[in-house]
Amino acid sequence: AQSVTQLGSHVSVSEGALVLLRCNYSSSVPPYLFWYVQYPNQGLQLLLKYTSAATLVKGINGFEAEFKKSETSFHLTKPSAHMSDAAEYFCAVNPQPGNTPLVFGKGTRLSVIA
Amino acid sequence: DSGVTQTPKHLITATGQRVTLRCSPRSGDLSVYWYQQSLDQGLQFLIQYYNGEERAKGNILERFSAQQFPDLHSELNLSSLELGDSALYFCASSRDNEQFFGPGTRLTVL
Repeated sequence: AQSVTQLGSHVSVSEGALVLLRCNYSSSVPPYLFWYVQYPNQGLQLLLKYTSAATLVKGINGFEAEFKKSETSFHLTKPSAHMSDAAEYFCAVNPQPGNTPLVFGKGTRLSVIA
Repeated sequence: DSGVTQTPKHLITATGQRVTLRCSPRSGDLSVYWYQQSLDQGLQFLIQYYNGEERAKGNILERFSAQQFPDLHSELNLSSLELGDSALYFCASSRDNEQFFGPGTRLTVL
Protein backbone atom coordinates (compact mmCIF):
# COMPACT_ATOMS: atom_id res chain seq x y z
CA ALA A 1 0.00 0.00 0.00
CA GLN A 2 1.14 3.49 -0.73
CA SER A 3 2.16 5.63 2.20
CA VAL A 4 3.37 9.13 2.90
CA THR A 5 5.60 10.12 5.78
CA GLN A 6 5.92 13.69 6.91
CA LEU A 7 8.87 14.21 9.22
CA GLY A 8 8.04 16.53 12.07
CA SER A 9 4.49 17.08 13.24
CA HIS A 10 5.38 20.65 14.18
CA VAL A 11 7.92 22.99 12.62
CA SER A 12 8.63 26.45 13.97
CA VAL A 13 10.53 29.11 12.01
CA SER A 14 11.22 32.80 12.39
CA GLU A 15 9.64 35.27 10.03
CA GLY A 16 11.92 35.67 7.02
CA ALA A 17 13.63 32.32 7.55
CA LEU A 18 13.64 29.35 5.20
CA VAL A 19 10.71 26.98 5.42
CA LEU A 20 11.45 23.29 4.85
CA LEU A 21 8.72 20.70 5.30
CA ARG A 22 9.72 17.12 4.63
CA CYS A 23 7.75 14.46 2.81
CA ASN A 24 8.76 10.95 1.79
CA TYR A 25 6.56 8.56 -0.11
CA SER A 26 6.58 4.86 -0.78
CA SER A 27 5.69 3.88 -4.27
CA SER A 28 6.92 1.31 -6.74
CA VAL A 29 6.18 3.62 -9.63
CA PRO A 30 6.48 7.40 -9.89
CA PRO A 31 3.28 8.70 -8.38
CA TYR A 32 1.51 11.99 -8.56
CA LEU A 33 2.40 14.08 -5.51
CA PHE A 34 0.67 17.03 -3.91
CA TRP A 35 1.06 19.54 -1.13
CA TYR A 36 -2.08 20.96 0.45
CA VAL A 37 -2.40 23.71 3.05
CA GLN A 38 -5.15 23.94 5.66
CA TYR A 39 -5.72 27.19 7.50
CA PRO A 40 -7.63 27.06 10.79
CA ASN A 41 -11.27 26.12 10.36
CA GLN A 42 -10.94 25.87 6.60
CA GLY A 43 -10.73 23.18 3.95
CA LEU A 44 -7.66 22.03 2.08
CA GLN A 45 -6.16 24.23 -0.60
CA LEU A 46 -3.79 22.88 -3.22
CA LEU A 47 -0.34 24.47 -3.03
CA LEU A 48 1.34 22.55 -5.81
CA LYS A 49 1.45 19.21 -7.62
CA TYR A 50 3.94 16.96 -9.33
CA THR A 51 2.64 14.95 -12.26
CA SER A 52 5.85 13.55 -13.82
CA ALA A 53 6.80 16.67 -15.72
CA ALA A 54 9.43 19.04 -14.28
CA THR A 55 10.96 17.78 -11.03
CA LEU A 56 10.99 21.27 -9.51
CA VAL A 57 7.44 22.40 -9.06
CA LYS A 58 6.43 25.94 -8.24
CA GLY A 59 3.19 26.59 -6.42
CA ILE A 60 1.20 29.40 -4.95
CA ASN A 61 2.33 31.82 -2.23
CA GLY A 62 6.02 31.38 -3.10
CA PHE A 63 6.22 27.69 -2.24
CA GLU A 64 8.03 25.12 -4.33
CA ALA A 65 8.86 21.42 -4.05
CA GLU A 66 11.40 19.16 -5.67
CA PHE A 67 10.67 15.58 -6.65
CA LYS A 68 13.68 13.34 -6.01
CA LYS A 69 13.06 9.81 -7.17
CA SER A 70 16.32 8.45 -5.75
CA GLU A 71 15.33 9.68 -2.28
CA THR A 72 11.55 9.10 -2.73
CA SER A 73 11.10 12.63 -1.42
CA PHE A 74 9.00 15.65 -2.23
CA HIS A 75 10.03 18.31 0.28
CA LEU A 76 8.26 21.66 0.38
CA THR A 77 10.28 24.87 0.65
CA LYS A 78 9.83 28.60 0.78
CA PRO A 79 12.81 30.97 0.94
CA SER A 80 11.28 33.45 3.38
CA ALA A 81 8.50 32.66 5.83
CA HIS A 82 5.65 35.07 6.37
CA MET A 83 3.31 35.18 9.33
CA SER A 84 0.44 34.27 7.01
CA ASP A 85 2.14 30.93 6.23
CA ALA A 86 1.22 29.59 9.66
CA ALA A 87 -1.04 26.62 8.91
CA GLU A 88 -1.16 22.83 8.64
CA TYR A 89 0.52 21.35 5.59
CA PHE A 90 -0.29 17.96 4.12
CA CYS A 91 1.67 15.94 1.62
CA ALA A 92 -0.40 13.51 -0.45
CA VAL A 93 0.22 10.86 -3.06
CA ASN A 94 -2.02 9.66 -5.83
CA PRO A 95 -0.68 6.19 -6.55
CA GLN A 96 -2.53 5.80 -9.82
CA PRO A 97 -2.89 8.40 -12.54
CA GLY A 98 -6.43 9.51 -12.97
CA ASN A 99 -9.20 10.41 -10.61
CA THR A 100 -8.35 8.14 -7.71
CA PRO A 101 -8.25 8.69 -3.95
CA LEU A 102 -5.35 10.47 -2.30
CA VAL A 103 -3.22 9.04 0.48
CA PHE A 104 -2.26 11.77 2.94
CA GLY A 105 0.57 12.17 5.37
CA LYS A 106 -0.24 13.05 8.97
CA GLY A 107 0.46 16.72 8.42
CA THR A 108 2.99 19.25 9.68
CA ARG A 109 1.91 22.29 11.63
CA LEU A 110 4.00 25.32 10.69
CA SER A 111 4.38 28.11 13.22
CA VAL A 112 5.98 31.41 12.23
CA ILE A 113 7.54 33.49 14.98
CA ALA A 114 7.78 37.26 14.63
CA ASP B 1 -13.30 29.22 -3.07
CA SER B 2 -12.82 25.72 -4.50
CA GLY B 3 -16.29 25.49 -5.99
CA VAL B 4 -17.17 22.48 -3.84
CA THR B 5 -19.93 23.16 -1.32
CA GLN B 6 -20.79 21.22 1.80
CA THR B 7 -23.69 21.49 4.19
CA PRO B 8 -24.09 21.83 7.06
CA LYS B 9 -20.93 23.51 8.30
CA HIS B 10 -21.41 22.24 11.83
CA LEU B 11 -23.48 19.40 13.23
CA ILE B 12 -23.93 18.51 16.86
CA THR B 13 -25.81 15.35 17.73
CA ALA B 14 -26.03 12.59 20.29
CA THR B 15 -24.73 9.04 20.32
CA GLY B 16 -26.93 6.57 18.51
CA GLN B 17 -28.33 9.17 16.15
CA ARG B 18 -28.15 9.34 12.34
CA VAL B 19 -27.01 12.31 10.27
CA THR B 20 -26.66 13.17 6.59
CA LEU B 21 -23.89 15.29 5.17
CA ARG B 22 -24.32 16.86 1.77
CA CYS B 23 -21.80 17.76 -0.92
CA SER B 24 -22.10 19.49 -4.27
CA PRO B 25 -19.07 19.05 -6.55
CA ARG B 26 -17.64 21.64 -8.90
CA SER B 27 -19.64 22.10 -12.05
CA GLY B 28 -18.75 19.36 -14.50
CA ASP B 29 -16.78 17.18 -12.06
CA LEU B 30 -18.05 13.60 -12.10
CA SER B 31 -15.98 12.22 -9.22
CA VAL B 32 -16.81 12.86 -5.58
CA TYR B 33 -14.68 11.71 -2.68
CA TRP B 34 -15.37 11.68 1.05
CA TYR B 35 -12.58 11.99 3.60
CA GLN B 36 -12.60 11.99 7.39
CA GLN B 37 -10.15 14.11 9.38
CA SER B 38 -9.66 13.30 13.03
CA LEU B 39 -6.89 14.05 15.50
CA ASP B 40 -5.87 10.43 15.97
CA GLN B 41 -6.35 9.08 12.43
CA GLY B 42 -5.46 12.12 10.34
CA LEU B 43 -7.01 12.44 6.89
CA GLN B 44 -8.51 9.18 5.74
CA PHE B 45 -10.27 8.33 2.52
CA LEU B 46 -13.76 6.93 3.01
CA ILE B 47 -15.41 6.41 -0.36
CA GLN B 48 -15.47 7.64 -3.96
CA TYR B 49 -18.30 7.92 -6.45
CA TYR B 50 -18.01 8.49 -10.14
CA ASN B 51 -21.04 9.57 -12.14
CA GLY B 52 -23.42 7.89 -9.71
CA GLU B 53 -21.50 4.66 -9.25
CA GLU B 54 -19.29 3.62 -6.35
CA ARG B 55 -15.71 3.69 -7.63
CA ALA B 56 -13.50 3.02 -4.62
CA LYS B 57 -13.88 2.24 -0.94
CA GLY B 58 -11.48 3.12 1.83
CA ASN B 59 -11.72 2.91 5.60
CA ILE B 60 -15.47 3.38 5.72
CA LEU B 61 -17.38 1.79 8.57
CA GLU B 62 -20.42 -0.36 7.88
CA ARG B 63 -22.50 2.19 9.81
CA PHE B 64 -21.62 4.73 7.14
CA SER B 65 -22.99 4.84 3.61
CA ALA B 66 -22.98 7.24 0.72
CA GLN B 67 -24.59 7.83 -2.61
CA GLN B 68 -24.29 10.12 -5.58
CA PHE B 69 -27.41 11.40 -7.24
CA PRO B 70 -28.13 12.07 -10.95
CA ASP B 71 -27.37 15.78 -10.46
CA LEU B 72 -23.96 14.60 -9.12
CA HIS B 73 -24.38 15.86 -5.59
CA SER B 74 -23.48 13.32 -2.94
CA GLU B 75 -24.66 12.49 0.55
CA LEU B 76 -22.78 10.72 3.32
CA ASN B 77 -25.02 9.00 5.85
CA LEU B 78 -23.65 8.23 9.29
CA SER B 79 -25.76 6.10 11.60
CA SER B 80 -25.58 4.70 15.14
CA LEU B 81 -23.16 7.49 15.89
CA GLU B 82 -20.44 7.01 18.47
CA LEU B 83 -18.27 9.54 20.28
CA GLY B 84 -15.35 8.47 18.10
CA ASP B 85 -17.17 9.57 14.95
CA SER B 86 -16.63 13.20 15.94
CA ALA B 87 -14.45 14.58 13.16
CA LEU B 88 -14.23 16.91 10.21
CA TYR B 89 -15.71 15.36 7.07
CA PHE B 90 -14.49 16.65 3.74
CA CYS B 91 -15.88 16.19 0.30
CA ALA B 92 -13.73 16.66 -2.78
CA SER B 93 -14.32 16.56 -6.51
CA SER B 94 -11.69 16.01 -9.13
CA ARG B 95 -10.67 16.75 -12.66
CA ASP B 96 -7.35 16.25 -14.45
CA ASN B 97 -5.67 14.52 -11.51
CA GLU B 98 -6.42 17.38 -9.15
CA GLN B 99 -8.80 17.23 -6.19
CA PHE B 100 -10.69 20.27 -4.96
CA PHE B 101 -11.88 20.20 -1.38
CA GLY B 102 -14.96 21.66 0.19
CA PRO B 103 -14.87 23.56 3.50
CA GLY B 104 -15.91 20.47 5.46
CA THR B 105 -18.62 19.56 7.95
CA ARG B 106 -17.57 19.44 11.57
CA LEU B 107 -19.48 16.67 13.34
CA THR B 108 -19.61 16.60 17.10
CA VAL B 109 -21.18 13.58 18.78
CA LEU B 110 -22.07 14.13 22.43
